Amino acid sequence: EPEVTQTPSHQVTQMGQEVILRCVPISNHLYFYWYRQILGQKVEFLVSFYNNEISEKSEIFDDQFSVERPDGSNFTLKIRSTKLEDSAMYFCASSGISAEETQYFGPGTRLLVL
Amino acid sequence: RKEVEQDPGPFNVPEGATVAFNCTYSNSASQSFFWYRQDCRKEPKLLMSVYSSGNEDGRFTAQLNRASQYISLLIRDSKLSDSATYLCVVRMDSSYKLIFGSGTRLLVRP
Repeated sequence: EPEVTQTPSHQVTQMGQEVILRCVPISNHLYFYWYRQILGQKVEFLVSFYNNEISEKSEIFDDQFSVERPDGSNFTLKIRSTKLEDSAMYFCASSGISAEETQYFGPGTRLLVL
Repeated sequence: RKEVEQDPGPFNVPEGATVAFNCTYSNSASQSFFWYRQDCRKEPKLLMSVYSSGNEDGRFTAQLNRASQYISLLIRDSKLSDSATYLCVVRMDSSYKLIFGSGTRLLVRP
């Protein structure tokens, strides 16, 4: 069964450093998403991406965040200057040919900012 | 008021029990409804979509009451493997984002 993959599974970084989280969505999917989950809290939407542009973003997704689809398979989330409060599990998700379709989540990247 | 509200639990039930979870949502523009399941430190996985007429998938039954803005999930004949956190999720019309509740934790004991 096709699945979303994410790398790395864990990342530890110093405050102020840049991190790039990588995702490979399901191959025929057109809609891509990033969510995050701070430990003990609910899953929160960050951004959605379709047709090589951001289609929707939350107030969390400020200028420190950016997304990119650098090639036909990868989808990345960059945090330019990490803060302690960016420590969370970051989930990538993808859905098929319509935004109404089921979103399938990757296993997540656990980011720890020291 | 929280957009999606759930009782955090935990619900601690014996194997074979029937257990029901409820969820309320605040925005009447909510269009799509789901139950996801999340195991500890894992990603959310879709359990089932919730339709206006109610729907069933094996031991799982989901109901939606748009007038009361209320969603429910019923699990019959609980298995040990049902132990997880159950996330109530909504999506509003013309929006891409999923809005998650904080989840209800279920523990099924032998």
